[in-house]
This record gives sequence, structure tokens and C-alpha cells, in this order.
Amino acid sequence: NAGVTQTPKFQVLKTGQSMTLQCAQDMNHEYMSWYRQDPGMGLRLIHYSVGAGITDQGEVPNGYNVSRSTTEDFPLRLLSAAPSQTSVYFCASSLLAGIDNEQFFGPGTRLTVL
Amino acid sequence: KQEVTQIPAALSVPEGENLVLNCSFTDSAIYNLQWFRQDPGKGLTSLLLIQSSQREQTSGRLNASLDKSSGRSTLYIAASQPGDSATYLCAVDNNNDMRFGAGTRLTVKP
Repeated sequence: NAGVTQTPKFQVLKTGQSMTLQCAQDMNHEYMSWYRQDPGMGLRLIHYSVGAGITDQGEVPNGYNVSRSTTEDFPLRLLSAAPSQTSVYFCASSLLAGIDNEQFFGPGTRLTVL
Repeated sequence: KQEVTQIPAALSVPEGENLVLNCSFTDSAIYNLQWFRQDPGKGLTSLLLIQSSQREQTSGRLNASLDKSSGRSTLYIAASQPGDSATYLCAVDNNNDMRFGAGTRLTVKP
């Protein structure tokens, strides 16, 4: 299994540009999520999904959209990038939501917005 | 709103020492608590997950405890090694709303 994969690894955008961060998992996990990590602040949940066709907002959803059309893929869209969205983005998945929700993380995407 | 705090923010110890990392949280209505390791420039690796009904979990030299009523968890690392140097994060799950602490940066000196 490849586990959780993310593309691209690095990205530089100009303010106002749009882009999609890709996340895929091959473990047949139902739960997938996106986080951003900023220096000294730990990880903050952006959006999550408990299964195909179901998404919900996390702690910091503004400026980001998600969709879950398949079990394997969970892309994160930035519609109009802002410098405040400069961060490292992590995707994670787990077999199920709930009490045994052990999460597996991708390697991250480092995004810079100029 | 759930707040997760990790103390200390950084810790440096000589090789071979036993050490304890602390995690506290404000809302005890959690599904589980998970400890992760993060190496510089890398993603997170799951170390231990403690379900809300459990008191502790062990894996090798690692032991994590959970006291839900007091909002505390500890990660005990026995006989530390230079390879244990990393940032350790705890996270709590409140019904799919995951909240992370800022982490403890551990350095184990040879």
C-alpha cells in the first residue's frame, strides 16, 4: 500500500490564484481530513469527511472547499489564495470515524502565497 | 471549545534517561487521545491511541496514560535514544473534531 499520498510537495501561488491540493489513500479508509500546520500552533482541522459524499467543516474552514466523490480521493481547493494561507497542509485518513479513529498522515504540501 | 496544551514546549535530555511528556485538554467529552511523532519536514506518525474508556496503552519503550476526568495524558519514554529526537504531538477527538497541541520538541543527546 502507498498509504496516504499528497501532491504537489511544494507550491508557490500569487494572491488571488486558485489551486487544488490532491490527497489519495489506498487503504479503503472511510474518514479523511485536511489540516494546516503553522509554526508554534500545532495542526488545525480545515475540513473532514466520514465517507463518500459527506463533508463537514473543521476549526478553520474559511477560504477552502472540499468534495468527496470517491472513497479514495479528498481534494482541497483554494478558490482565491491569500498570504494568510501560507502553511504546510497535511491530509490524513483513518479506517472509521469514532473511538478507534487512528489517523495516518500524508507527507504534506508546503504552500507559499505571495 | 476544546483547548489542548503540551508542556514543556522543548526538552533536552542525555541518552538513557526516562522522560515524561504532558498533554492537557479542557473538554473531557473525548472519543480518544492520540500521540504522534513528527520529524523535521515530515508528516506525522501515529505512536499510540487511547480510547476514552481506556487508561493506558503501551508500545515498546512508550507508555501513554489517560485521565479523562482531570483532562490529562502523559507519554512516558523509557531509556531514551538519540533516534527519539523529534516533536511529539497529542491530539484529542471530540466527535470527529480533532484538536492538536502545539507539541513538545525533544532532543536526546548522545
